[in-house]
Amino acid sequence: SAVISQKPSRDICQRGTSLTIQCQVDSQVTMMFWYRQQPGQSLTLIATANQGSEATYESGFVIDKFPISRPNLTFSTLTVSNMSPEDSSIYLCSVEGGVQYIENEQFFGPGTRLTVL
Amino acid sequence: AQSVTQPDIHITVSEGASLELRCNYSYGATPYLFWYVQSPGQGLQLLLKYFSGDTLVQGIKGFEAEFKRSQSSFNLRKPSVHWSDAAEYFCAVGTGGGNKLTFGTGTQLKVEL
Repeated sequence: SAVISQKPSRDICQRGTSLTIQCQVDSQVTMMFWYRQQPGQSLTLIATANQGSEATYESGFVIDKFPISRPNLTFSTLTVSNMSPEDSSIYLCSVEGGVQYIENEQFFGPGTRLTVL
Repeated sequence: AQSVTQPDIHITVSEGASLELRCNYSYGATPYLFWYVQSPGQGLQLLLKYFSGDTLVQGIKGFEAEFKRSQSSFNLRKPSVHWSDAAEYFCAVGTGGGNKLTFGTGTQLKVEL
């Protein structure tokens, strides 16, 4: 199957700063998503990254806090803006669809572990 | 709105014993159902999925799950657990055509040697 990578794998940041997380897939995919996994908790969908248009955000998540880009069918970024300690989480991207994927099956990247001091 | 309940937060089994992890969902239509496993420091790996058809689905690593519509359940089973199965297991329901996943809170599996 195709490979999904995320950069950075982990980071420690100061409150008030921003961090951009990259998700790269080695083949074109139809859908890309961003999830958050807070410490000891389950995964929550942040948004769907739409190629060439604005992301679709889930309830409780806003573009000003989590701007997302998806310039092409293999790459997306998630920015966590004006960070606070409550943003400390693992952020995961997932992909679905495309030549190497089955529709309605999502595959996840390794995640980015963010700690905000 | 859809929801997923995994009633067991932690489960401990002996190696070689059988395993069943419970998952109940709430969704108004026919669900897309998934089980994922997350090993320490690893990303999520898809174990198996149910979309339609045969209600007993086979997955990777010897896991299977059975969809029971009457009970709104999708329990994960394995006849003989290996020490390497120790991990956290997440049940998820897919809506919006299947690709919006709602996850349960997870079950942490510990395997005693």
